[in-house]
Order: sequence, then C-alpha cells, then structure tokens
Amino acid sequence: EAQVTQNPRYLITVTGKKLTVTCSQNMNHEYMSWYRQDPGLGLRQIYYSMNVEVTDKGDVPEGYKVSRKEKRNFPLILESPSPNQTSLYFCASSKRTRKFFGPGTRLTVL
Amino acid sequence: QQPVQSPQAVILREGEDAVINCSSSKALYSVHWYRQKHGEAPVFLMILLKGGEQKGHDKISASFNEKKQQSSLYLTASQLSYSGTYFCGTEYRDNYGQNFVFGPGTRLSVLP
Repeated sequence: EAQVTQNPRYLITVTGKKLTVTCSQNMNHEYMSWYRQDPGLGLRQIYYSMNVEVTDKGDVPEGYKVSRKEKRNFPLILESPSPNQTSLYFCASSKRTRKFFGPGTRLTVL
Repeated sequence: QQPVQSPQAVILREGEDAVINCSSSKALYSVHWYRQKHGEAPVFLMILLKGGEQKGHDKISASFNEKKQQSSLYLTASQLSYSGTYFCGTEYRDNYGQNFVFGPGTRLSVLP
C-alpha cells in the first residue's frame, strides 16, 4: 500500500531537548516536504527536498533542520525545541503533482 | 506568497451548494485542492494544470481562471461527509525557482 509514515505520532518534550521526527515513503517519490499546521494559518512549508542530498528552506525554516540521505526518508530535526514550535507537523511526498501526506505528528514543547 | 481563500468558514444544510474561492497575487502554474477532516491528514481532491481547466468527480468540481489567478471549488448537493477544512495549494515560479504554497483553509460544516 502506498503510504507516508511518520513517527512518533504524539510527542511531549521540554525546551532545549533535541528531537527527531522521522518520515518515510514507499512510493519512490523524489520530492518530499515538511509542513507545520497552526490554527488559522493553514499548512506552512518548513523544508523541502527535490531529491537525495538536495534540500531547501521553505517559508518557516527557523529552528529546524532536515537531511535526505536516502530517497525514502526525510527526517525533521529540532536541535533545541522551543514552545513556539508546538504544532501539528505533516510530512508529504509527491511526484510533481498530488501530495501524499503522512498521518501527522502532534508536538508539544513545554 | 500565501493565496487568499474565501469564505473562511461556511455552514450548510445537507443538499445545499457551496463555492470556495482561492486567489493569488502570483501567476499560477497549477492549483491543487485538498480536504482535511479533524485530526486527520489532508487528502488530495484534484489538481488543475492549465488555465480554463475544470475538473470534477462525484459532486465536487473546480475551475481555474489563469488570467485572474483564481480557482474555485464547487460542492453541489452537499453531503455530511463533505464536512472538513478545504485547502487550495498554488504553484508558481519566480526567480528562485518553483514554489508551492497552501492557503489558510476554509472550514465547511454540513448539518443534517
């Protein structure tokens, strides 16, 4: 089954404690991206990757890092999380047209 | 540049029609439409790739006016299952390359 998986689905952490949210897709898509969703603001792109070893900043990249060492995986790294990064995060993959979204990760930073 | 969606929210009775609009200040290459139910991931509805194109499936259709940099989503004879938040996603190109931006969403509630 074609899918995008994310882990963990829920995470509560404290300010400054490094964390990684994993994202994996099984559709051999070249394009992958991370979004955060906050009430009234829609889906804002954090980072995207056009292919392996090619990543670029989206609209709200501050405080986040990504890597793309293999085609299927695109982890999101928060080196020093802060409360304003409390949000719902979605990973997505696509092959030029429609985007497939992962189930989401709800992150709370205390 | 985030597109503008209108209305922000709409409440309908089952069987009524609704139109959701999406407009951009940029010249658009494509427009996507997604629906998101509460607590779930957005789900793709359709993509419009060229000006004047209209697409639809079931009782949901969309149009793309390239000249006006606008797209509209039409929901006819709405069903309870249509409830959710609808997002348009717009693709445009500038000096920095290809960009894709979602609108802020339109919350649709269909009541029995």
